[in-house]
Amino acid sequence: KQEVTQIPAALSVPEGENLVLNCSFTDSAIYNLQWFRQDPGKGLTSLLLIQSSQREQTSGRLNASLDKSSGRSTLYIAASQPGDSATYLCASSGEDDKIIFGKGTRLHILP
Amino acid sequence: EPEVTQTPSHQVTQMGQEVILRCVPISNHLYFYWYRQILGQKVEFLVSFYNNEISEKSEIFDDQFSVERPDGSNFTLKIRSTKLEDSAMYFCASSGNRVGYNEQFFGPGTRLTVL
Repeated sequence: KQEVTQIPAALSVPEGENLVLNCSFTDSAIYNLQWFRQDPGKGLTSLLLIQSSQREQTSGRLNASLDKSSGRSTLYIAASQPGDSATYLCASSGEDDKIIFGKGTRLHILP
Repeated sequence: EPEVTQTPSHQVTQMGQEVILRCVPISNHLYFYWYRQILGQKVEFLVSFYNNEISEKSEIFDDQFSVERPDGSNFTLKIRSTKLEDSAMYFCASSGNRVGYNEQFFGPGTRLTVL
């Protein structure tokens, strides 16, 4: 049974710094891995999706990497801004028709 | 840009009452999903729906739950007799293809409070 873990649970970083969020998964037989952003009390915004055949995806200041063999993914945020403060969720999908989510990393960018 | 919409944004109900949560998926999508998130916990898969039938469901999705696509645009989640532990945020999602092959787009959620 797939389990997705995100460490740390919370992170505070001064504005302008680069940062990395970590995600690990137990079953490497994934089809893709997706990173989401969730603002308090709000829905989920898809940030990046990496197919299992890919190593990374980039969108603006965000870069997500995937290493299937080690069961890890990272989300790199460059030049962090206060507006980046949110909870970031990592989620994997496999041959069954569902997404398994991690609990998220709550990110706070200090102005 | 097309988006998934959900109504209502907040639903308060008494324990034992039936509730219907509504979703309008992105118009050309074929796969539909419901997830829930109990406060402070992970987002959990409930059910997936394709071609007018359930394709997968979790152990959470018991006989109290049902889904329906009553017309060409709406996708609903019904809880027949709500319990206190059904209080959660419920998210609808849709995808143009199976989740393994295409990203899912999520709605803003319905916050269900069972008193």
